[in-house]
Amino acid sequence: KAGVTQTPRYLIKTRGQQVTLSCSPISGHRSVSWYQQTPGQGLQFLFEYFSETQRNKGNFPGRFSGRQFSNSRSEMNVSTLELGDSALYLCASSLDGQGAGDTQYFGPGTRLTVL
Amino acid sequence: AQKVTQAQTEISVVEKEDVTLDCVYETRDTTYYLFWYKQPPSGELVFLIRRNSFDEQNEISGRYSWNFQKSTSSFNFTITASQVVDSAVYFCALVPTDSWGKLQFGAGTQVVVTP
Repeated sequence: KAGVTQTPRYLIKTRGQQVTLSCSPISGHRSVSWYQQTPGQGLQFLFEYFSETQRNKGNFPGRFSGRQFSNSRSEMNVSTLELGDSALYLCASSLDGQGAGDTQYFGPGTRLTVL
Repeated sequence: AQKVTQAQTEISVVEKEDVTLDCVYETRDTTYYLFWYKQPPSGELVFLIRRNSFDEQNEISGRYSWNFQKSTSSFNFTITASQVVDSAVYFCALVPTDSWGKLQFGAGTQVVVTP
């Protein structure tokens, strides 16, 4: 079975631009979560989607948004980019057969650099 | 609120030595799940183990073993006879059963194994 895939792997943007990151979960997985990883703040939860609905959200400004499609693929969008948005963005998928404690499997991440 | 503490920032060992990574957590929930992930230099988080709060049995998987002690809110991880390939950052994480997809990560412990 293929793992979680994320595209693109690397992105360079300038302040004020917007960016869209894509995540394809493991086949059969219905839940997708997004995380931001920075040296200063570590791994922080952004949001989680299941059946095209956002079920949970972390403490990030409204510039960070996401969505999930009917095939469980997910995208996240960051508008009006700031230097502090430079980070590794990780997507994870889970089967969601056992609720919130399902094991999350992570993709390789998208490295976003904001100049 | 949940909190996961990994007090060790970096541990350096020589190959074949054992290394123990500490993880202490705080939660008011009675039901929760604990995880360990490994992040090699490539960046992808690799799942190692999942444990629910009702299962305090220790577990061994090859050179890896885990010690879960609910009484001290600790979930420690030991690598026996370390190898260079074990060099990575290791994260402990917690998710309560009512918090969809929201893994609360510790800061991580960098393990450096030298030949």
